[in-house]
Amino acid sequence: QVQLVQSAAEVQKPGASVRVSCKTSGYTFSGYLIHWVRQAPGQGLEWMGIINPSGGSTNYAQKFQGRVTMTRDTPTTTVHLGLSSLTSDDTAVYYCARQSGPAHLDYWGRGTLVTVSS
Amino acid sequence: NFMLTQPHSVSESPGKTVTISCTRSSGSIVTNYVQWYQQRPGSPPTTVIYKNSQRPSGVPDRFSGSIDSSSNSASLTISGLKTEDEADYYCQSYDTTNYWVFGGGTKLTVL
Repeated sequence: QVQLVQSAAEVQKPGASVRVSCKTSGYTFSGYLIHWVRQAPGQGLEWMGIINPSGGSTNYAQKFQGRVTMTRDTPTTTVHLGLSSLTSDDTAVYYCARQSGPAHLDYWGRGTLVTVSS
Repeated sequence: NFMLTQPHSVSESPGKTVTISCTRSSGSIVTNYVQWYQQRPGSPPTTVIYKNSQRPSGVPDRFSGSIDSSSNSASLTISGLKTEDEADYYCQSYDTTNYWVFGGGTKLTVL
């Protein structure tokens, strides 16, 4: 069965960087795009960007350009989200999600809470 | 870039029908598919409608989606409301550069 298993919660200090992992299984890794979506406490969903595991090409939301990095590791079928220069506004649950078809996120990870606090 | 605007909250009684709107600020609503996600507290979103009006397997036919080019908006309609439908609902679409957008979300209360 399709699974997206995310890394554990993290606490980071302002100015630091964080790396969140999303281990995929149960399907052909290179056949599906992976998105990252975040949700601040009590807020809505915010799209961060997308990575194509086949080749590693990315497309980032303009808001995060310059401080976000999405990578993939094909042997372990894992995708990673990196976010630098963290502020308290980056405190959120970060989700990875698989795209099916033209624009449908059919499987989601459980989310990783990143807390930015001094 | 464009925005998707949803009402902040809606409420209705069990057994009734509710419609949640999603208005696209620029670009035509008919050009790119609209999806709808349901999110309960503490859980990731799940799809209730994709490609404007398609239901994933397991989603009851009480859920339906449509688009209206005249108002440049999409709608999610839930009929025969049940208390279990109480959740946050988000619309989502994209543009030709593969830039994705979520609506701000609508809190549905079934009272």
